[in-house]
Amino acid sequence: QVQLVESGGGLVRPGGSLRLSCAASGFTFSDYYMSWIRQAPGKGPEWVSYINRHSTDTNYADSVKGRFTISRDNAKKSLYLQMNSLRAEDTAVYYCARGEGYCTGDSCHWGQGTLVIVSS
Amino acid sequence: DIQMTQSPSTLSASVGDRVTITCRASQTISTWLAWYQQKPGEAPKLLIYTASSLKTGVPSRFSGGGSGTEFTLTINSLQPDDFATYYCQQYQSSPWTFGQGTKVDIK
Repeated sequence: QVQLVESGGGLVRPGGSLRLSCAASGFTFSDYYMSWIRQAPGKGPEWVSYINRHSTDTNYADSVKGRFTISRDNAKKSLYLQMNSLRAEDTAVYYCARGEGYCTGDSCHWGQGTLVIVSS
Repeated sequence: DIQMTQSPSTLSASVGDRVTITCRASQTISTWLAWYQQKPGEAPKLLIYTASSLKTGVPSRFSGGGSGTEFTLTINSLQPDDFATYYCQQYQSSPWTFGQGTKVDIK
């Protein structure tokens, strides 16, 4: 069955960096766009970024553009999010999701998330 | 960016009730809208896509409707498992944006 397992979250100081990873299994990873979606405490989800199948196209929310970088390794079936210049408002649970960041049926899968806390 | 506004923010209801949640888009999105259910500590789960298509396995008491800028999620005969927070999301244009959520709790 499809599994997406995020890791790499934790506590980081403002201005710091963190790299999130998402390990995929149960499907042909290289066949799908992949994305990151985050959810701040008590708020609705926010799409962060997506990457196409062969890493030739990426897209970012304005709130993270220039600070976050999405990447993937199809051989390792893994998705990454490099987060630099972190701010308090980046505090959230970060979900890895199959697809561009929205769901259109049975292909929809999200991981269980990893918590990032940006605080001094 | 397209803004999505849900109402109400909180809805108190009883088992067996019929409840309706509304989602409004700041500009027309045709039927490029999804509805999700989220329970505490879990990732959101897809219920409905393209405004009215039920995801496989989702109970038929859930239904969606609307087009353009106004959409509804209706739950017929609310069950104990349905007490949760519901979000709409538009995917007409990037960035794909979500509503702020509607929490359905027990009256």
